Amino acid sequence: NAGVMQNPRHLVRRRGQEARLRCSPMKGHSHVYWYRQLPEEGLKFMVYLQKENIIDESGMPKERFSAEFPKEGPSILRIQQVVRGDSAAYFCASSPVRGPYQETQYFGPGTRLLVL
Amino acid sequence: LAKTTQPISMDSYEGQEVNITCSHNNIATNDYITWYQQFPSQGPRFIIQGYKTKVTNEVASLFIPADRKSSTLSLPRVSLSDTAVYYCLVGENTGGFKTIFGAGTRLFVKA
Repeated sequence: NAGVMQNPRHLVRRRGQEARLRCSPMKGHSHVYWYRQLPEEGLKFMVYLQKENIIDESGMPKERFSAEFPKEGPSILRIQQVVRGDSAAYFCASSPVRGPYQETQYFGPGTRLLVL
Repeated sequence: LAKTTQPISMDSYEGQEVNITCSHNNIATNDYITWYQQFPSQGPRFIIQGYKTKVTNEVASLFIPADRKSSTLSLPRVSLSDTAVYYCLVGENTGGFKTIFGAGTRLFVKA
């Protein structure tokens, strides 16, 4: 069973361009989470999605950032008009259908975004 | 969401047992305690989860006192490859939840 896959692993953009980050959850997982991590800092929650629904986007900046998890295909985190402050590692995690215990999240390898 | 407090960093030597304590004074009745490990340039990896008393798996043990206001992750006989950041998380077991990662504890294992 393949783990969580993210692509690209590294992404370089110039200020003002758009960045699209993709996440394919583990097989059978219907919950996807996106996090951002700045150097030497912990992960910051951004958004929690289920298929075709945004459940919690309280960690997403109000502007320029959007996320989706369509019925078919990977989850996409989209950053429009990137700025240098968007440079960070973006991690995606997935978890299975909720069970009786707190969900364990399985993380992908991350996408490292560098804005020039 | 309960806030957690952990030491910023710890040093150890190979073969020693390492105990990392996390404080979570405002833990709620439905909250579980989960620990993750993160190596440089990788995503976090689940280590262990517990609700009360003691939990042990092939990687670590988790000790939780009766009041559940703290927990201790115990790594037996660490090796150089255990050098990583360790995160303590507290969250509900129902509903979708927003996982809050603190700064974590940077463990550095020396030869």
